[in-house]
Amino acid sequence: QITLKESGPTLVKPTQTLTLTCTFSGFSLSADTVGVGWLRQPPGKALEWLAVIYWDGDERFNPSLKTRLTITRDTSRDQVVLTLTNVDPADSGTYYCAHTQVGPTRRDPFDRWGQGTLVTVSS
Amino acid sequence: EIVLTQSPGTLSLSPGERATLSCRASQSISSSYLAWYQHKPGQAPRLLIFAGSVRDTGIPDRFSGSGSGTDFTLTISRLEPDDFAVYYCQQYGSPPPCTFGQGTKLEIK
Repeated sequence: QITLKESGPTLVKPTQTLTLTCTFSGFSLSADTVGVGWLRQPPGKALEWLAVIYWDGDERFNPSLKTRLTITRDTSRDQVVLTLTNVDPADSGTYYCAHTQVGPTRRDPFDRWGQGTLVTVSS
Repeated sequence: EIVLTQSPGTLSLSPGERATLSCRASQSISSSYLAWYQHKPGQAPRLLIFAGSVRDTGIPDRFSGSGSGTDFTLTISRLEPDDFAVYYCQQYGSPPPCTFGQGTKLEIK
């Protein structure tokens, strides 16, 4: 059974760096065709895809946030870490990590999600 | 970036009724890259449909997806109490980013 759980700070000050950890079980990020992505949902707004990292180390980012995002994996600990620099109140929202199983085009849905973690950016 | 517009914003129905949720894309997309998710408060979003019409593992057959081009539909044939939630469509075919609709809230009438 695949499970994912997000963890990190609930409150971050503007201009700081947000670091979120996704801890997963039921699959390995070393296994072929597996990816873990991050998404977020600001209050009252649509879900927004942020980034994904694949089993082979390939990383993809939302172009609108690419300069502020980093995604890393620790396969020994079954974790994926997302960092977002220079946060702003507009970065407040619920952050989700999710599992994807990809084909050759790497265009696939997220088939298992975590419950999300709420982050507020405020001074 | 492809914009997805879902309608209605809120749908009020009773258990046993049929629900029809719409997702319209700002440009044509392949149905192979259209998904639907169910989301309940405090829970993980759940993939219902991918590739336009394929149910994910364990999804009841009362959920069905259809459509092509710019217009897609999620139909729930006979609503059960557990079906009342927010539903999102997602397109994942265009170059990054994939995008989501703003959601349809399905509430009990």
